[in-house]
Formats: sequence, C-alpha cells, structure tokens
Amino acid sequence: SQQGEEDPQALSIQEGENATMNCSYKTSINNLQWYRQNSGRGLVHLILIRSNEREKHSGRLRVTLDTSKKSSSLLITASRAADTASYFCATVNDYKLSFGAGTTVTVRA
Amino acid sequence: ETGVTQSPTHLIKTRGQQVTLRCSSQSGHNTVSWYQQALGQGPQFIFQYYREEENGRGNFPPRFSGLQFPNYSSELNVNALELDDSALYLCASSTGLAGARGDTQYFGPGTRLTVL
Repeated sequence: SQQGEEDPQALSIQEGENATMNCSYKTSINNLQWYRQNSGRGLVHLILIRSNEREKHSGRLRVTLDTSKKSSSLLITASRAADTASYFCATVNDYKLSFGAGTTVTVRA
Repeated sequence: ETGVTQSPTHLIKTRGQQVTLRCSSQSGHNTVSWYQQALGQGPQFIFQYYREEENGRGNFPPRFSGLQFPNYSSELNVNALELDDSALYLCASSTGLAGARGDTQYFGPGTRLTVL
C-alpha cells in the first residue's frame, strides 16, 4: 500500500503559470521528500523537508508541510516546458521511502 | 545525472523464468534500496541493504531476493517470474541508513522488465 496520496492526479498548465500539487499521508514521518520523474525513467530528488520544518524553498520550488493535517504541498513557480514530468511525494519513516501515485504535470508552450 | 547505474536497461522474460538486475551505487554510498514501479503507479519499496546486510523489506514474497557486494554494488534476483512482475525496477543509493537520518536517495535510471 502507498503511504502518500498526491492530488491532483494530473495537471495541465500554460508556460509561465504556477503549478501546485498536494500530498497527504497517513502515519508519522521523519521527513518528506519530493521527486520528479521524466518519461518513466529514474527519479530526481527535488527537495526534503524535515518533520520540524513548515516551509522550504529551492529555486522555483516551494514546499510546505503541515504535520497536524498530515499534508504537504509543492509549488512550482513560473513553469517551463522542461517541468513537464511526474511528481511524487515520499514519506520517510525508519529506513524506507513510501511513495504516492504521483501527479503528472504537463506544461504547454 | 546521479552516479547510480543499472543494467540492463530493458529485459524481456517469460513466465516462470528467473532474472538478475544489477545496480552500481554512487561513489561513497554504502546503502542500496530497490523499488518496483508498475505503470502509472509510484515506486514500491522492495528491500534495502546496508553494508552487505538486508536492513528492511517491503511486502514482497521471498522469490524477490538481493545481494550487496563489498564494493556496495547490488543485485536484485526474481525467481519464478509472474506477469505482474512486469515493471520498472529502480535502485537508489545513499549514505548510512537513509530513512533514519533523512538522507537523500539517489536513483538510477531503472531497468524495464517485461514478463510475457
């Protein structure tokens, strides 16, 4: 079973717009990570937020974490065609990553 | 690009056969985790090896087994292949016990296994 659930399942936006996706999870976590996957290939780590952090930024990415609601969000600002990919949240508990089913983002030129 | 490599890139097998997939960790990493990703799904944790010992296992049957070698490269073996084993198999390397320390895991490009 998957720990995290991303919402929405798919997102289509115009280049330059912002993209927001959400992740909900079920159990307590050490930290939460977001990954990107292009065309069914390997995952690329984007950002890690620890359970005692509420917000984190990395370039055009902004991640929030609300442990009371067991949820996180990923915002990509000023999207580009190269941001077209699937995005996964992964919760970290003990030794393993537990992934959701992902959000597929399509950025239209 | 991470320093994690996997071989082969693609593989086609028939039901009942056995398969071995290989992974070379990023330099300096002593932990390897394996994941199975079915089409349209997120990766599912299979198991993790830390310093050549299995450190944890997901909900996969014993016909999924692994090894980690002294140079920290790793193999995933699957016996008695079933149609549902068709998936992308990903390995990821990290330093130490990734979960407990919250270390980032670095993924390889994956091996696409098709079982006919």
